[in-house]
Amino acid sequence: DTEVTQTPKHLVMGMTNKKSLKCEQHMGHRAMYWYKQKAKKPPELMFVYSYEKLSINESVPSRFSPECPNSSLLNLHLHALQPEDSALYLCASSESWTGGNQPQHFGDGTRLSIL
Amino acid sequence: QKEVEQDPGPLSVPEGAIVSLNCTYSNSAFQYFMWYRQYSRKGPELLMYTYSSGNKEDGRFTAQVDKSSKYISLFIRDSQPSDSATYLCAMMGGNNRLAFGKGNQVVVIP
Repeated sequence: DTEVTQTPKHLVMGMTNKKSLKCEQHMGHRAMYWYKQKAKKPPELMFVYSYEKLSINESVPSRFSPECPNSSLLNLHLHALQPEDSALYLCASSESWTGGNQPQHFGDGTRLSIL
Repeated sequence: QKEVEQDPGPLSVPEGAIVSLNCTYSNSAFQYFMWYRQYSRKGPELLMYTYSSGNKEDGRFTAQVDKSSKYISLFIRDSQPSDSATYLCAMMGGNNRLAFGKGNQVVVIP
């Protein structure tokens, strides 16, 4: 079992739905990340939160809206998604964002399908 | 030229063989090197983490880094069917932004 927990494991939604993905870690990490992974590709960074503040947005469309309610939780709010947004969404955490010496630990992801 | 090159070709080996995987990189700022293992329908699992040139062993796994050649390797000794997975190399420099290779799918045949 990973120390980064993501829910739900699977999600099917229509293009007009609103849903949220959730991520939780209890390792005391102060940096949390959202990644998107398509089949047979490496993860692509979407957002970075450092000390509960958004540090990096990799030009992600506004239909993806991240939120960090506290240091242990990370949400990704989804609205009006497109079929090409179907992918595995991964959450990760590390001790910090700066310094470079902090490996990231990943959850098992939410497999999202857009109808 | 991509920052990290990893030949994504699938690799099939018989059980008990040594698996050898490698990545090259072009960014001299990379100082920290990781190997992640990803099983089907799971997230990447940190397998090995190192930041100096040389070898690091953990059980059947050995990570090798050659900074002068900008080349890293992962060796799996006495491979088992449970080692069948995709292996991703990753590296970072002064911040925690990960640069991934494309991943190698490894199949260990019983």
